[in-house]
Amino acid sequence: GIQVEQSPPDLILQEGANSTLRCNFSDSVNNLQWFHQNPWGQLINLFYIPSGTKQNGRLSATTVATERYSLLYISSSQTTDSGVYFCAVDQYDYKLSFGAGTTVTVRA
Amino acid sequence: EPEVTQTPSHQVTQMGQEVILRCVPISNHLYFYWYRQILGQKVEFLVSFYNNEISEKSEIFDDQFSVERPDGSNFTLKIRSTKLEDSAMYFCASSDTSGGALEQFFGPGTRLTVL
Repeated sequence: GIQVEQSPPDLILQEGANSTLRCNFSDSVNNLQWFHQNPWGQLINLFYIPSGTKQNGRLSATTVATERYSLLYISSSQTTDSGVYFCAVDQYDYKLSFGAGTTVTVRA
Repeated sequence: EPEVTQTPSHQVTQMGQEVILRCVPISNHLYFYWYRQILGQKVEFLVSFYNNEISEKSEIFDDQFSVERPDGSNFTLKIRSTKLEDSAMYFCASSDTSGGALEQFFGPGTRLTVL
């Protein structure tokens, strides 16, 4: 099956800092989503981004499908940004394969 | 904004007991899914459901598991005889798929604890 690798595995930020999270995938995909898992375990949809660039407030994402990677940018980080960020891809079969996640800790 | 809902939020059961996890997908969505996440691990696909039948299932989804859409709004996951290793967070998701839209929307999860 498809391999989804996220880096870095852990990230510690000072409040106000910017950061970039990366997701590499091993084959072509027709869906890519970014999620934030909050401390209560809920998965929050951040982006549906099989290709191109999107922005939502302080977050933005870029997927370069031909090179099989996606980036999630967090700008001016806040403590509420803490949690685990997951990348997930779908290979034309309606089932998402998740990466192992990046655990982000934002310190005040 | 429409959202996927799940009940209960937390379920505690004894090993060997049957459990039913309930989900109400977004109303105009056609594809439904169950995923699970064992504590500290990544989210894993269990099963997808379309047009009242299973579309895809993973190796995890063995004979102990079943899914059903008993009416026009609910989507359920049944675990027939729970094992300790079934303890996990179970997520329901749904997607529209019309017009090529593939985004899956997840519910808040049910945390299942098997004692």
